Amino acid sequence: DIQMTQSPSTLSASVGDRVTITCRTSQSISSWLAWYQQKPGKAPKLLIYKASNLESGVPSRFSGSGSGTEFTLTISSLQPDDFATYYCQQYSSLWTFGQGTKVEIK
Amino acid sequence: EIHLLESGGGLVQPGGSLRLSCAASGFTFGSYEMNWARQAPGKGLEWLSYIDGSGSTMYYADSVRGRFTTSRDNAKNSLYLQMNSVRAEDTAVYYCARVRGVGEANMDVWGKGTTVTVSS
Repeated sequence: DIQMTQSPSTLSASVGDRVTITCRTSQSISSWLAWYQQKPGKAPKLLIYKASNLESGVPSRFSGSGSGTEFTLTISSLQPDDFATYYCQQYSSLWTFGQGTKVEIK
Repeated sequence: EIHLLESGGGLVQPGGSLRLSCAASGFTFGSYEMNWARQAPGKGLEWLSYIDGSGSTMYYADSVRGRFTTSRDNAKNSLYLQMNSVRAEDTAVYYCARVRGVGEANMDVWGKGTTVTVSS
């Protein structure tokens, strides 16, 4: 099984900040990685797929990078609507989610 | 509009059974692979099972293999999760999700979820 290590688990930031979340995998997954945003009581929403592809309708302040075993999600300028929990997910071998990163207001 | 709607959740006793359903609309259901995932209270997301478009190939997470069975009825645009021998740790919100396809296996459409509580 592929293990995921997502960091940090919690991130305190202010509106306008640049935010970076990291996801590492226990073995190479090429670029088969997605990022999801989840708000309390809601279903996850796909933001990024294949490591760096922006899902349709997702604001361009979100971006993803990386390949192999190390990946990042960056929010270039944090907006009030972005306070949420973010999950990475590998889909190279079945599916595995990271533990999540809660982005909270500083 | 593309839509997934789960139903069938509720309170079930340990060792009991429950069948969840997921109704799909707005896309050609039989052309898409589907997944089930869950989220225990206050916890992260966990992938549970996969089924291909024809319903002939399924994969399961270790945590549910042998207890849960996923199936589909393409004529009814519906996906199912049969949960047997449930345990307290199966308490969660259960989501169905579409696998994007066309060489991509991310989960691009999600239902709103249905809540399962396992308790005596």
